[in-house]
Amino acid sequence: RKEVEQDPGPFNVPEGATVAFNCTYSNSASQSFFWYRQDCRKEPKLLMSVYSSGNEDGRFTAQLNRASQYISLLIRDSKLSDSATYLCVVTSTGTASKLTFGTGTRLQVTL
Amino acid sequence: NAGVTQTPKFQVLKTGQSMTLQCAQDMNHNSMYWYRQDPGMGLRLIYYSASEGTTDKGEVPNGYNVSRLNKREFSLRLESAAPSQTSVYFCASIGGPLVEETQYFGPGTRLLVL
Repeated sequence: RKEVEQDPGPFNVPEGATVAFNCTYSNSASQSFFWYRQDCRKEPKLLMSVYSSGNEDGRFTAQLNRASQYISLLIRDSKLSDSATYLCVVTSTGTASKLTFGTGTRLQVTL
Repeated sequence: NAGVTQTPKFQVLKTGQSMTLQCAQDMNHNSMYWYRQDPGMGLRLIYYSASEGTTDKGEVPNGYNVSRLNKREFSLRLESAAPSQTSVYFCASIGGPLVEETQYFGPGTRLLVL
């Protein structure tokens, strides 16, 4: 079983739609959780952190359920510019923080 | 600040050739990482360095070596390239201790091994 699992998609949605991505992780000792965005042929960039209390950044809402080892990302009022691959990331710490990436969920927003 | 820089951007090698991928960061970060990204596999950690002078294996270290030359630079070497090493390689650094505030990736090196 992969440490971090995501539905690869693609999710094809019209502009203005609401779309949700889910992610599950297997290591119950994971400590920090993030969503990254990766545009085609570019490096990943941090989108937002994920907390148990839920956090919101504009049109984006992230949620963590530790009991179910489940992370979600909700995008409201989708824009064409939201088209990208969204990577779920969990970290463990030791001598250095280590990030484990999901394979990503591809989103395509259309007119 | 340039952030994280990587050279070269593109490289084509023949099987058996060697090369070194260079990475540098100007943010005074302690931890640096090398990942490879393949279709359907996501980013996989090759090696990492928690601080200057230390390196550790990640998930897929075979066929690679690394050097943490100083706090700024972390290089990845392929001694004898194989077609299975065709991939996109990303270097990253984390300043810590607040991981979510200080994660940066370089632009990537696209490597093709024939």
